[in-house]
Amino acid sequence: QSALTQPPSASGSPGQSVTISCTGTSSDVGDYNSVSWYQQHPTKAPKLMIYDVSKRPSGVPDRFSGSKSGNTASLTVSGLQAEDEADYYCSSYGGSNNLVFGGGTKLTVL
Amino acid sequence: EVQLVESGGGLVQPGGSLRLSCAASGFTFSSYWMHWVRQAPGKGLVWVSRINFDGRSSTYADSVKGRVTISRDNAKNTLYLQMNSLRAEDTAVYYCARDLGYYDTQDAFDIWGQGTMVTVSS
Repeated sequence: QSALTQPPSASGSPGQSVTISCTGTSSDVGDYNSVSWYQQHPTKAPKLMIYDVSKRPSGVPDRFSGSKSGNTASLTVSGLQAEDEADYYCSSYGGSNNLVFGGGTKLTVL
Repeated sequence: EVQLVESGGGLVQPGGSLRLSCAASGFTFSSYWMHWVRQAPGKGLVWVSRINFDGRSSTYADSVKGRVTISRDNAKNTLYLQMNSLRAEDTAVYYCARDLGYYDTQDAFDIWGQGTMVTVSS
């Protein structure tokens, strides 16, 4: 099972919006609505930000939103804040009881 | 407080074995699927294995299949990962994580431990 494809980096100024893509195939992202997004600050454990493509767990700001079109899922962070600077990972159920992550995107708040 | 605490990591020689533990507290452990996820130094997250709520069903990533066994003791609120025939490429921080789903898997992880480092080197 190959990793999902994410851009290595993304950036935006405070208050702006940034979108991170996550491209898979018709066997994972394209076939299932089990796409999740995680935020990871340096030396910390990941934190769930989005699940089931677009649902937010309790406590996650509504500045974070998710969507999917075909084989590509996206995470949009609106109203960028300094504390949003982190690594972001997508994941998807990949069929055959496998789960696959993306390679990660480093988000920089300029 | 809902919490997962891993232990058991360390330095092991290639070909060796190690058993990781993950102690759960603050929630009904026996109602949730559980997972192990690893992260090599400076690299991304990689899913390793999952086990269902009663321990009767488990699945593995191809990269560890046949060398790793996930198990759980619901009476002790503890998840385990037995790792055998370890290779240099198994070097990583190993996280245990709770599945968001209740009695069913949603393959989303809402609670994570702090991780335990496994280093495979001679």
